[in-house]
Amino acid sequence: QKEVEQNSGPLSVPEGAIASLNCTYSDRVSQSFFWYRQYSGKSPELIMSIYSNGDKEDGRFTAQLNKASQYVSLLIRDSQPSDSATYLCAVNSGNDYKLSFGAGTTVTVRA
Amino acid sequence: DGGITQSPKYLFRKEGQNVTLSCEQNLNHDAMYWYRQDPGQGLRLIYYSQIVNDFQKGDIAEGYSVSREKKESFPLTVTSAQKNPTAFYLCATNGRGPSNEQFFGPGTRLTVL
Repeated sequence: QKEVEQNSGPLSVPEGAIASLNCTYSDRVSQSFFWYRQYSGKSPELIMSIYSNGDKEDGRFTAQLNKASQYVSLLIRDSQPSDSATYLCAVNSGNDYKLSFGAGTTVTVRA
Repeated sequence: DGGITQSPKYLFRKEGQNVTLSCEQNLNHDAMYWYRQDPGQGLRLIYYSQIVNDFQKGDIAEGYSVSREKKESFPLTVTSAQKNPTAFYLCATNGRGPSNEQFFGPGTRLTVL
């Protein structure tokens, strides 16, 4: 069983719509959760961090965490063509600051 | 100008050669990491170091070696023992603070000819 799983893509959404990305993790003691955006040929860029249950909003991005269900999601509101990228979910489970990454979900925003 | 630098950006290696990838940071972060990314896949951890003069194997350490002689530097050597080294190599750092956020350098794309 993979430690971190993301919904398979690619995900295609029209401009202005909401893109919804999902991630589940297997280790119940996980404490820190991250979303990275990776443009083609570039390195990952941290866009959201979440540590407690509930929602966290930053601009057009909202991260949602449910530790009981071992589930973290990312919503992108008012999607723009510049949001077209691969989004990586990452989870930290221990005290050694290591992250486990999902395989990523590729999002394409259609103009 | 703070950040993480990796060099070279592109690297071509002949079979049987060892090559060393550079990673330097001026963020004063204690922890540093090397990942490998293959097309369409997530990141896999090769080695990591939480303090100077100490490092641990990640999930795919075979065929790789590292050193951590300075806080700012964490070079990765891809040896001839690595059977399939063509990949995108990413270095990352973590300040080990409460936020536990990890930041990435621009990466090195290694191709074996």
